[in-house]
Amino acid sequence: SQELEQSPQSLIVQEGKNLTINCTSSKTLYGLYWYKQKYGEGLIFLMMLQKGGEEKSHEKITAKLDEKKQQSSLHITASQPSHAGIYLCGADWSSNYKLTFGKGTLLTVNP
Amino acid sequence: DGGITQSPKYLFRKEGQNVTLSCEQNLNHDAMYWYRQDPGQGLRLIYYSQIVNDFQKGDIAEGYSVSREKKESFPLTVTSAQKNPTAFYLCASSPWDGGLREETQYFGPGTRLLVL
Repeated sequence: SQELEQSPQSLIVQEGKNLTINCTSSKTLYGLYWYKQKYGEGLIFLMMLQKGGEEKSHEKITAKLDEKKQQSSLHITASQPSHAGIYLCGADWSSNYKLTFGKGTLLTVNP
Repeated sequence: DGGITQSPKYLFRKEGQNVTLSCEQNLNHDAMYWYRQDPGQGLRLIYYSQIVNDFQKGDIAEGYSVSREKKESFPLTVTSAQKNPTAFYLCASSPWDGGLREETQYFGPGTRLLVL
């Protein structure tokens, strides 16, 4: 079966520290999506990666997709309390518009 | 403003009752989706629809039903056959770009369903 593993499950960092969240697929991805969610709210789209080796940045968040298109990382530089929330990766394996999501990473940023 | 609306924000259901969750979008998107989110489980796909009057089962369709009579609306009914309906339900929509997959799914604010 197709699987998507996200790590770590939770992360507590001090404000100003860098952090990385990982998402590993059991097979080659057609596309990988990163979302952020505040508890009890909808998902906010961050970035989408499709090409092997692709890297995208938005403000202090950088997402990368490896050359094999099976692993992605989300890196936050100089974290702020506003970065706190649940980060979810979503895998598209067959371009049929179905996304499979990881279980999420709960990020806490202490001031 | 364009977006996706879900109502109500909180919904209470008695045992044996069917309840319907509303999802409306004014983004002119062709595809719409329903997900269920449980603590520590991530999102799981219930149903999705790529075009009006057509929909497909997702990974956990048992105990749920949907309809897609209008492009902008995709209501989800949680039936009494769903044994564990307490969860956070999220609706999403996306354009249909002919398979290029340049676009992403946009999510509504969610509905929390509680069984009394």
